[in-house]
Amino acid sequence: DAEITQSPRHKITETGRQVTLACHQTWNHNNMFWYRQDLGHGLRLIHYSYGVQDTNKGEVSDGYSVSRSNTEDLPLTLESAASSQTSVYFCASSESRGAFEQFFGPGTRLTVL
Amino acid sequence: AQSVTQLGSHVSVSEGALVLLRCNYSSSVPPYLFWYVQYPNQGLQLLLKYTSAATLVKGINGFEAEFKKSETSFHLTKPSAHMSDAAEYFCAVSTFNDMRFGAGTRLTVKP
Repeated sequence: DAEITQSPRHKITETGRQVTLACHQTWNHNNMFWYRQDLGHGLRLIHYSYGVQDTNKGEVSDGYSVSRSNTEDLPLTLESAASSQTSVYFCASSESRGAFEQFFGPGTRLTVL
Repeated sequence: AQSVTQLGSHVSVSEGALVLLRCNYSSSVPPYLFWYVQYPNQGLQLLLKYTSAATLVKGINGFEAEFKKSETSFHLTKPSAHMSDAAEYFCAVSTFNDMRFGAGTRLTVKP
């Protein structure tokens, strides 16, 4: 069965360190997304990609970067981790835009000390 | 840009009672609307979606939602709550270029 996986599931790091969260999907979807989930804010879009070599900023992109070198993977990098980036991060993918649902990974809980 | 408002961050019902979770949206173009459910320590999964066909949409686990254009609403209902329905529910609005999620409503089901 097709799926979307994230690793690690839990991560503790220190302020100022670079951190990369992995996202891998086997749906062969063109579109991939990264969200963060914080209490009271729901899901907020960090970055998204509509295909290989395409990346776009979402509403909360400061301090984050992504790259898309193949269809299956969209790693999220925190260039210099800050305590404000402590959150649960979700990766999602979809076949196309508009009416197409997003399929979500299980999430990564990141703590920045 | 579109937006979503979920009225009530927490809703508590008794087992067997009606579940009503409210969602209002704004969009400058005809939207697609979704309800997702999130169980503890899991990602979101689709409950149902509206894509401009029937205004009453049936989803999984006995949930349904009605699209009301005049009220810009897409409320989620279930006639009889079950303990297993306890979760967080997210409404989302989508157009071709953008998808926005509401802040979520946590549903508690009391025995």
